[in-house]
Amino acid sequence: EVQLVQSGAEVKEPGQSLKISCKASGYRFTDFWIGWVRQRADKGLEWMGLIYPGDSETRYSPSFQDQITISVDKSINTAYLQLTSLEPSDTAIYYCAREVPGGDVDWFDPWGQGTLVTVSS
Amino acid sequence: QSLLTQPPSLSEAPRQRVTISCSGSSSNIGSYPVNWYQQLPGKAPKVLIYYDDMLPSGVSDRFSGSKSGTSASLAISGLQSEDEAHYYCASWDDSLNGPVFGGGTKLTVL
Repeated sequence: EVQLVQSGAEVKEPGQSLKISCKASGYRFTDFWIGWVRQRADKGLEWMGLIYPGDSETRYSPSFQDQITISVDKSINTAYLQLTSLEPSDTAIYYCAREVPGGDVDWFDPWGQGTLVTVSS
Repeated sequence: QSLLTQPPSLSEAPRQRVTISCSGSSSNIGSYPVNWYQQLPGKAPKVLIYYDDMLPSGVSDRFSGSKSGTSASLAISGLQSEDEAHYYCASWDDSLNGPVFGGGTKLTVL
């Protein structure tokens, strides 16, 4: 079974940084892009960035590129999302998801369970 | 403001049919296929339709997708209470150079 398991909820103060993990299993980790998606409370989904574990090539959304770093550790089939200079507006659920190649368009399947990040003083 | 526009909410009675629209532009839906995701309350999204009208294994055939020009639609027939969820369309966008999601539609089954 293909599965993505994310690290647990985090509570941070403004200005701090954090790193969320996403451990993959059930498939060859290096063969599929991994994406990160943000969902703020009662809001929609926002694509943040992608990484290809095979060679660590990354693509960032212009909306997030100054604040995030996406990385992988192939030895443990894990992708990471690092966020810096956190603000209360970064309070959200962050999802990782495997990108399935479809030719003209890819889709995300499956998704991790999500990591709730709360930023508050 | 998302590049893909969906109605924020819809409601319909059980056993009826509902259609959720998704409007984009030539830089996204007009040039690329559309995927749809279902997000049940408190859960992660799940792919419901890919490549405009393809159903993943295990997804009920009560769900169907279509696309015309720069718009796409998700239809759900024989509505059931378990269909209450948020539904998101998604595609690729040339200006973003990445995936783009619609703002989501909250479906209520009356």
